[in-house]
Amino acid sequence: DQQVKQNSPSLSVQEGRISILNCDYTNSMFDYFLWYKKYPAEGPTFLISISSIKDKNEDGRFTVFLNKSAKHLSLHIVPSQPGDSAVYFCAARNDNYGQNFVFGPGTRLSVLP
Amino acid sequence: EAQVTQNPRYLITVTGKKLTVTCSQNMNHEYMSWYRQDPGLGLRQIYYSMNVEVTDKGDVPEGYKVSRKEKRNFPLILESPSPNQTSLYFCASWMNTEAFFGQGTRLTVV
Repeated sequence: DQQVKQNSPSLSVQEGRISILNCDYTNSMFDYFLWYKKYPAEGPTFLISISSIKDKNEDGRFTVFLNKSAKHLSLHIVPSQPGDSAVYFCAARNDNYGQNFVFGPGTRLSVLP
Repeated sequence: EAQVTQNPRYLITVTGKKLTVTCSQNMNHEYMSWYRQDPGLGLRQIYYSMNVEVTDKGDVPEGYKVSRKEKRNFPLILESPSPNQTSLYFCASWMNTEAFFGQGTRLTVV
């Protein structure tokens, strides 16, 4: 049973517009959430994170929103750029489970020029 | 430079021939893990380690072994590889929050 879900396998957005990537989780014990970005032939790289005690974290063009009651988080990219085209993984950590990470299946974002 | 190094990057092998994929990190991280990435399934955890000599199964441990004799190294061992283990493998390490990933090993078992 997937604890972290990303229900959109792919997303296409026009350059300059907003990209919104969604992630849902089932385990209420998750205390920390991260987004990773992956280009082909490379390992995933950390993008942005949020603690469960916050509802928003912003870093430049990237903002992550957390809705604990809905067990939902989203990553907003504004404005989207062609270099943002990649696979985005949502990850969650359960501090009671040895700080282990659980990853979602990923969403492939294509930003069209 | 902080990094996680995996070797080899690419490997083609035959069914049943034992192989080892190495992973080394230079950040003194306690936690290390192996994942496999398959289309539509994302990153699935194979094994992880919380410290030297402490390992535990992830979601898909069947057919794999690991060892953690030193803090920096976490090799992945396939004793008898099968075609269903053809995949892209990633090693990761972390201390508290952000995990660092290696470049990946693309394994093909024929």
